[in-house]
Formats: sequence, structure tokens, C-alpha cells
Amino acid sequence: GESVGLHLPTLSVQEGDNSIINCAYSNSASDYFIWYKQESGKGPQFIIDIRSNMDKRQGQRVTVLLNKTVKHLSLQIAATQPGDSAVYFCAEVGGATNKLIFGTGTLLAVQP
Amino acid sequence: NAGVMQNPRHLVRRRGQEARLRCSPMKGHSHVYWYRQLPEEGLKFMVYLQKENIIDESGMPKERFSAEFPKEGPSILRIQQVVRGDSAAYFCASSFQGTTNEKLFFGSGTQLSVL
Repeated sequence: GESVGLHLPTLSVQEGDNSIINCAYSNSASDYFIWYKQESGKGPQFIIDIRSNMDKRQGQRVTVLLNKTVKHLSLQIAATQPGDSAVYFCAEVGGATNKLIFGTGTLLAVQP
Repeated sequence: NAGVMQNPRHLVRRRGQEARLRCSPMKGHSHVYWYRQLPEEGLKFMVYLQKENIIDESGMPKERFSAEFPKEGPSILRIQQVVRGDSAAYFCASSFQGTTNEKLFFGSGTQLSVL
């Protein structure tokens, strides 16, 4: 079946450092990927997305990299801030009805 | 433009009771998705609905769970005869077209606790 998984369940970084959160996906037919941020007690919040015809996409302080050869996705956060502390999920759009399939998440803990 | 609205925010039910969770999508959105999240886990897809139609219910338990999205009013996720294992956060998301061309917008969720 389809699945999206994350390598690191917890990532602890110092404020100001760069963070890299990794994700592996299994459905090579997926053509759209999204990173969401979820703070405690809240719903997932869109961060950045990327299509399979791209290798890299940049936003404000965030960059998503897609390696289709090894089915790997990563989220890079520059100059990590305390407000970045949250659980980060990668998700792929797949299946016959294009639903979002989420991974288990990575907890990013930013140390002051 | 209000975001996806879910209510109630918290819902407490005793075993055997019914739980009704409501979701109003963003204005102009006609596609609704329901997800369930257990503590420290990812979001699991349950059902995808368009106005008056169920598009994909592959993630819905076969019994006790149902969902609807009527022509007028919010989408409803209904859980009959709740059991403790139903305790979870239930999130609703909406989109305009329901295709790969757009991201989903999520509500703040309903935390269901079954005593």
C-alpha cells in the first residue's frame, strides 16, 4: 500500500541553526507533495509544496527538496526560531481520488 | 474570508453514545476531507466528500461511522455507539477543486474523548 514515512521522529536544534527534516515516500506515481506544520492543539498549517517536475522550491526561510530517484523529500528551515517548534508532516497526493497521505511526523524542538 | 470551521472544539461522550462532528469549509470550497489523528501520530485519511456525494470512503471504518456533506450546511462526521478507541482528534480540510493543483486547508479539529 501507499505510505509516507519520516526518518527522524524528533529533531532538536539550537536557535539560529538550520534545520533539515527528511521524509521518504513509497508511491512513485505521486506528483504533488506538501509540508505541513502542526502546533500543539491546532490543525496542520501549510508551509510549502512541490510538484514532481521540480527538484527544489524555496519559500520564506524554507526550502523543499525532492529527489524522485530515491523517493525522498526534505524540508530545510533557515535560521530556526523558537516559533518553529512544532510537528512537521510531509504528505503526498496519491491514490485514485488524489487524497493527501500523511507521514507520522517529526517533532522539531528549538533550544534557545 | 473565514477558514475551515469545526465544532465543537472538544466533545466528551460516554461509551455507547453518538458523536456528531461538524465542519464548515472555507467559502467557495466544495470538497471536504476528514482525517483522524491519534496522540503523537500522523493524520489518517477517513473520507473525501463533495457536495451531496461521497468520493472516497476507503479510510472509514465499516461500522458505526458515517459522513455527509449536504447541499446546504456543514459536513457532518457521525460516530454511533462510540467506544474508547474512538478517542482522537478529528480534522476536517477543504479545497476548491479537489485536484492535485491545490493544497488543503485544515480546521482546528475536534478532540473527541470517550469515557
